[in-house]
Amino acid sequence: DAGVTQSPTHLIKTRGQQVTLRCSPKSGHDTVSWYQQALGQGPQFIFQYYEEEERQRGNFPDRFSGHQFPNYSSELNVNALLLGDSALYLCASSFGTGDSPLHFGNGTRLTVT
Amino acid sequence: AQKVTQAQTEISVVEKEDVTLDCVYETRDTTYYLFWYKQPPSGELVFLIRRNSFDEQNEISGRYSWNFQKSTSSFNFTITASQVVDSAVYFCALSATSNTGKLIFGQGTTLQVKP
Repeated sequence: DAGVTQSPTHLIKTRGQQVTLRCSPKSGHDTVSWYQQALGQGPQFIFQYYEEEERQRGNFPDRFSGHQFPNYSSELNVNALLLGDSALYLCASSFGTGDSPLHFGNGTRLTVT
Repeated sequence: AQKVTQAQTEISVVEKEDVTLDCVYETRDTTYYLFWYKQPPSGELVFLIRRNSFDEQNEISGRYSWNFQKSTSSFNFTITASQVVDSAVYFCALSATSNTGKLIFGQGTTLQVKP
């Protein structure tokens, strides 16, 4: 039973570029949440997708956008990258938007130079 | 506003010592969940425990135990007889009971267990 998978594992981009990160939820899960974890900090909630719609959003600018596909997989897009966007991006999946526990992937390490 | 504070940035112990990781939270919600996660160097967040705000009973799971006290808004985590494999970053987190997809995490405590 595959858990949450994220790709790529590592990514290096230049300031001003755009990036797309991908996430496949755990089998049986239909909800995906994205988190940003800066070095030495706790993860911060970016947004949550359910039924292909953004359901909740954290305190992140519009440069951060996402998408959920009919197969429940999800993408996180970041435009006009800043040096401060360098972080570990974690995807978590769950069943529904209630109190189902989250399962996290290993994350994508994004470095912006 | 919701907030989780883990005042201990780093803790270093010698194997077999007991260690307690502190967590203090703030929320205006009357019902909420509290969590502990472990993050090894691989990066994945490993779920350890979830506690409903209505359930203040302490819990023990093997060498792990948790002390939840609503009166002091604390949810502390104790590892008994620590082992080198316990070395990791530990996060305390808070969520509303209506949607646990949005977790509020503390800053994390790095635990180093030396042989």
